[in-house]
Amino acid sequence: QSALTQPASVSGSPGQSITISCTGTSSDVGGYNYVSWYQQHPGKAPKLIIYEVNNRPSGVSNRFSGSKSGNTASLIVSGLQAEDEADYYCISFTSSTTWVFGGGTKVTVL
Amino acid sequence: QVQLVESGGGVVQPGRSLRLSCAASGFAFSRYEMHWVRQAPGKGLEWVAFISFDGSRTYYADSGKGRFTVSRDNSKNTLYLQMTYLRPEDTAVYFCAKDLSDKYSLDYWGQGTLVTVSS
Repeated sequence: QSALTQPASVSGSPGQSITISCTGTSSDVGGYNYVSWYQQHPGKAPKLIIYEVNNRPSGVSNRFSGSKSGNTASLIVSGLQAEDEADYYCISFTSSTTWVFGGGTKVTVL
Repeated sequence: QVQLVESGGGVVQPGRSLRLSCAASGFAFSRYEMHWVRQAPGKGLEWVAFISFDGSRTYYADSGKGRFTVSRDNSKNTLYLQMTYLRPEDTAVYFCAKDLSDKYSLDYWGQGTLVTVSS
């Protein structure tokens, strides 16, 4: 159960778009459309922002979107805002009937 | 509104046991699958365990297999995580989370309870 691979950090200026990648294998990311993304501010519980690769829960800003190609899923944050500064995690269902998180990406708004 | 409140954390010596609880409210608990996720201090999230709506299916991360047991009491709207043979590396904030029905995503989370394994 190796963790999915995410960049440790990504930064961007207000108004810009950033992309966070999440790379796994054909046994997890590539094999299922059960990839979801979470935003976590310091000291807070994670918040679901994308499920099933590219679906947004009710109430989540449409500035957040997701996609997948092969074994890599991506989270795109457009129109970056100061409040988007947080840690972001991907998670995928796996062929072992388990779930595996990515290592997390710290997003900095410059 | 959906609420998940964890309890039972604390300081425990290596090799000892601890049981965490997660009290659920604001939704039909007995109809949803649930997860435990943990986060070591300053580290990322780690999925720990899953339990089906009726408790008939449970799955574990390798890190807890054979030591952790997830269970639920639908009459009490409560989820549990029994942890045995605790190790220092089990030190973490433990979150319970509700599964977004059939989507294999975690849509609501509690605030977590801290478990510290130390002599």
